Amino acid sequence: EPEVTQTPSHQVTQMGQEVILRCVPISNHLYFYWYRQILGQKVEFLVSFYNNEISEKSEIFDDQFSVERPDGSNFTLKIRSTKLEDSAMYFCASSEPILETQYFGPGTRLLVL
Amino acid sequence: SQQGEEDPQALSIQEGENATMNCSYKTSINNLQWYRQNSGRGLVHLILIRSNEREKHSGRLRVTLDTSKKSSSLLITASRAADTASYFCATDEWGFQKLVFGTGTRLLVSP
Repeated sequence: EPEVTQTPSHQVTQMGQEVILRCVPISNHLYFYWYRQILGQKVEFLVSFYNNEISEKSEIFDDQFSVERPDGSNFTLKIRSTKLEDSAMYFCASSEPILETQYFGPGTRLLVL
Repeated sequence: SQQGEEDPQALSIQEGENATMNCSYKTSINNLQWYRQNSGRGLVHLILIRSNEREKHSGRLRVTLDTSKKSSSLLITASRAADTASYFCATDEWGFQKLVFGTGTRLLVSP
């Protein structure tokens, strides 16, 4: 069964460093998303992406964040100049049409020291 | 209640018993989805129910949706120890692409 994959599974970085989280969505899906979950808290929406551009973003998704689909398979989330509060589990998701089931990857656990 | 707030926050049952979790939300929705998360792991999609549906079944799962009360319930029948996980409801609204997740119910099924 097709699934969303994410790399790395864990990442430890120093405050102020840039990180890139990678995702491979399900191949025939057209809508891509990033969410995050701070330990013990709700899953929060960050951004959605369609047709090579951001279609919706949350207040959390400020200028330190960016997304890109550099090729036909990968979808990346870049966090410039990481902060301690960026420590969280980051989930990528994809869906075929909009407003349908979103399938989530296993997540990348980011720890900012 | 917050958008997508589940209750109870925690539920402890014995294997073989049924587990019922409830979710309330505030806005008009297009779909409501239930996800499961094992501790520290990814989100596994369980079931999607559309706003024009009232009940849906999938294996041991039964989901109901009452749009007049803005609530949904997830019933897991004949629970197993392997069902131990956190369960989240997530809603989406017409015109928006994001899912809004609830706070989750932690289910513990003891052998």
